[in-house]
Amino acid sequence: GAGVSQSPRYKVAKRGQDVALRCDPISGHVSLFWYQQALGQGPEFLTYFQNEAQLDKSGLPSDRFFAERPEGSVSTLKIQRTQQEDSAVYLCASSRFTDPETQYFGPGTRLLVL
Amino acid sequence: DAKTTQPTSMDCAEGRAANLPCNHSTISGNEYVYWYRQIHSQGPQYIIHGLKNNETNEMASLIITEDRKSSTLILPHATLRDTAVYYCIVKQGAQKLVFGQGTRLTINP
Repeated sequence: GAGVSQSPRYKVAKRGQDVALRCDPISGHVSLFWYQQALGQGPEFLTYFQNEAQLDKSGLPSDRFFAERPEGSVSTLKIQRTQQEDSAVYLCASSRFTDPETQYFGPGTRLLVL
Repeated sequence: DAKTTQPTSMDCAEGRAANLPCNHSTISGNEYVYWYRQIHSQGPQYIIHGLKNNETNEMASLIITEDRKSSTLILPHATLRDTAVYYCIVKQGAQKLVFGQGTRLTINP
């Protein structure tokens, strides 16, 4: 079946603009994760949902970052008043209830803030 | 979650076995060892995981030492498509993955 999809794949924003990044997890996957990956670094955890409940948002770097998953499927990561240091690849991953250890990643959204 | 130590980079000839080491000396009894890899411009891909027994699947084998302080990921017949960054992660439960720097594996023709 289809894997995790993310859109847009690339986003260029001017500093100060708001952006919204979308993640479509694999159908039926209960858990959804967002990660941020700076150039040359490993991915870093941002936030985690189980169904529509946001159970861990300890990795969100500031209150400019907000994530939601209102119906327990599609998730949106919103970044307000973007800054240059927000430039990174934003990865989404999902996992199923019966196999929570295995996370399936999307291709990521590459965000460039000018 | 326990920290891991991996070599920064490794090379391997195509068709040979690639053996990627990982040290996790502070691993606790209920933490699993996971391996993911990330091919250029793609999201990470799950490879294998284990607790204390050696594991094998269609992608790789995982050898964990008896004291569980280190492990080795083995790609038995490496191909050019196995060129990627390989991450060794130890964690408990179904929560977040904590990635380190990983090992950049280059398969040479």
